[in-house]
Parts: sequence; structure tokens; C-alpha cells
Amino acid sequence: EVQLLESGGGLVQPGGSLRLSCAVSGFTFSSFTMTWVRQAPGKGLEWVSAISGTGDSTFYADIVKGRFTISRDNFKNTLYLEMSSLRVEDTALYHCARGVGGTYFESWGQGTLVTVSS
Amino acid sequence: IEVTQSPATLSVSPGERATLSCRASPSISTSLAWYQQKPGQAPRLLIYGASTRATGIPARFSGSGSGTEFTLTISSLQSEDFAVYYCQQYNIWPRTFGPGTKVEIK
Repeated sequence: EVQLLESGGGLVQPGGSLRLSCAVSGFTFSSFTMTWVRQAPGKGLEWVSAISGTGDSTFYADIVKGRFTISRDNFKNTLYLEMSSLRVEDTALYHCARGVGGTYFESWGQGTLVTVSS
Repeated sequence: IEVTQSPATLSVSPGERATLSCRASPSISTSLAWYQQKPGQAPRLLIYGASTRATGIPARFSGSGSGTEFTLTISSLQSEDFAVYYCQQYNIWPRTFGPGTKVEIK
């Protein structure tokens, strides 16, 4: 069974940093592009970032480019999102998702909540 | 790529047909997916390739369209279908989601 479990969320002040993790099981992690999608409270889905199976290619939404860094450890079957210079508007539930070549997303984690507030 | 959805809210009676629209600009061929999300749950993939149902999705869900205009049809709404529906393009990076259509009970 495919499982994705996010962790690392919490309360952080504006300008602060946080690292999210997504531990996966039930599939060959290195074969899949992985993605972060976020959802602000009461709002819609927002694509954030993706990384290829080897980690050689990364992609970012313009709104997080230069502030967020996506990475993965294929030995630990874990996806990461390093977030810095956090803004109030980054407050959201962050989901990791497995997609076919980073196209559409057939498996999702339940998310980890990031709250940016002073 | 800009992705829009209409209407924002759709009020439908159980057993009726629901038709949801998604527009992309510019053209995305058939690189479009649809998701269903219920409160407190992660999104669930319904349709990919504009018209291919994902594994385990009931036949009452169907997708159509190509280029810039797409439609998700739920042929006969069941109680478990009342939710928010999102479309998402994957023709180009960065991927983008539409703002969603809430399907509520009339």
C-alpha cells in the first residue's frame, strides 16, 4: 500500500525557516517524481514544487522560488522541503504527492500544517 | 498557464446531473486532471488525460474536452459526491490548479 506521511510543520515567525519531511513506503521511491502542494486555510490547492526521481531536476512555483528548496534522499525514502524567509501567506497545509512524471497526482499524504505568525 | 473553473458553487439535487467547467489558457492539449476533495481529507484523483478515469473511480464520473475547454460530468449525484472539485493542468511547468467548484446539496 502506498503511504506518504508528512511531518515538520509548526508555528514559525515571519522571516523564519522550517524543514518539512515526507516519508514514503509501498513503492519504489526513486522511480517517481515527487511534489509538494499546499492549501491555505479555507482556500484552494496550490502547486509548490517538484523533484525528479533522481533529484537532478527541480521545479518551483514563482511565489516560492529562491525561498524554498526541494530535495530527496532515495536511501531514506524521504522527500524534503526546506522553507526560508517565510511569510504570513505561506501559512497552509502542505501535502506531498506522488505523480506520474510530476504530471497528475494519484497518491497524497494528509499534510502537515505550517503557520507563519508573529 | 491560467486555469479557471466555473461555476464557483453548483447546487444540485441528489440523482441529478452535474456539469463542471474548466478553462485553460493557452491550450494544454489533454494534459488535464480532475480531483475531488472532501472536508478534512486529501484530494482524490478522479480523471487524468482529460477523460481517463483513475483506478476505482465510478463510471458516473466522466471527463471531456481538449485544448482550452474541459468538462467534468457527474451523471447522477450520490450523497458522497458533494465536495469541492479541482482541475489541474500538467502541460507545462509550473503545474497549476483551478480555484475549485463546490458541489452542494440543493
